[in-house]
Amino acid sequence: AQKITQTQPGMFVQEKEAVTLDCTYDTSDQSYGLFWYKQPSSGEMIFLIYQGSYDEQNATEGRYSLNFQKARKSANLVISASQLGDSAMYFCAMGFSGGYNKLIFGAGTRLAVHP
Amino acid sequence: EAQVTQNPRYLITVTGKKLTVTCSQNMNHEYMSWYRQDPGLGLRQIYYSMNVEVTDKGDVPEGYKVSRKEKRNFPLILESPSPNQTSLYFCASSFGGTSVNYYGYTFGSGTRLTVV
Repeated sequence: AQKITQTQPGMFVQEKEAVTLDCTYDTSDQSYGLFWYKQPSSGEMIFLIYQGSYDEQNATEGRYSLNFQKARKSANLVISASQLGDSAMYFCAMGFSGGYNKLIFGAGTRLAVHP
Repeated sequence: EAQVTQNPRYLITVTGKKLTVTCSQNMNHEYMSWYRQDPGLGLRQIYYSMNVEVTDKGDVPEGYKVSRKEKRNFPLILESPSPNQTSLYFCASSFGGTSVNYYGYTFGSGTRLTVV
């Protein structure tokens, strides 16, 4: 079964410190993509970062990096130098090519950044 | 600007009163989906459409209908809403095809529905 697991319902971090949000996935497909989205209190889904299953390098986008460990089926998000504006819900998701083109989401992690 | 537009953003309705949430995209995407978000469950796919007149059930389709008469529009219809359909709803569109990449998925701003 295809599944995303985020084991941390809530996290907090001190401003300017780094934080890692955990994500593990389960699939038997060889071709898939892993996504992280940020959802602030306003509710919209903001795309942060993407990692393809065949990408050998870990993805990075500014202060966001994705620690992709394929053998362990993990795709943790690392936020460096946390800012107060990073306080939000974060979702890990998995997408597949082919007919149904669906995203499967984890339950989310709520991150609070403290000054 | 490339976007997915959902309306309304907020809706309070009563049990049994039919409603439609509209979704429109301007990117010529083939794939469109509806998701609902509930606490502790993340987002779950309700219905999806691979092209005009082609729709199929997602993981939680009960109580919902969709239609795809035009490529850009994918409305979500609740024929007889019930309180357990109180949720945050997202429409999303994607290129589809044989590869998945981050260019593919664009979300609307969400519709917060309350059924009393």
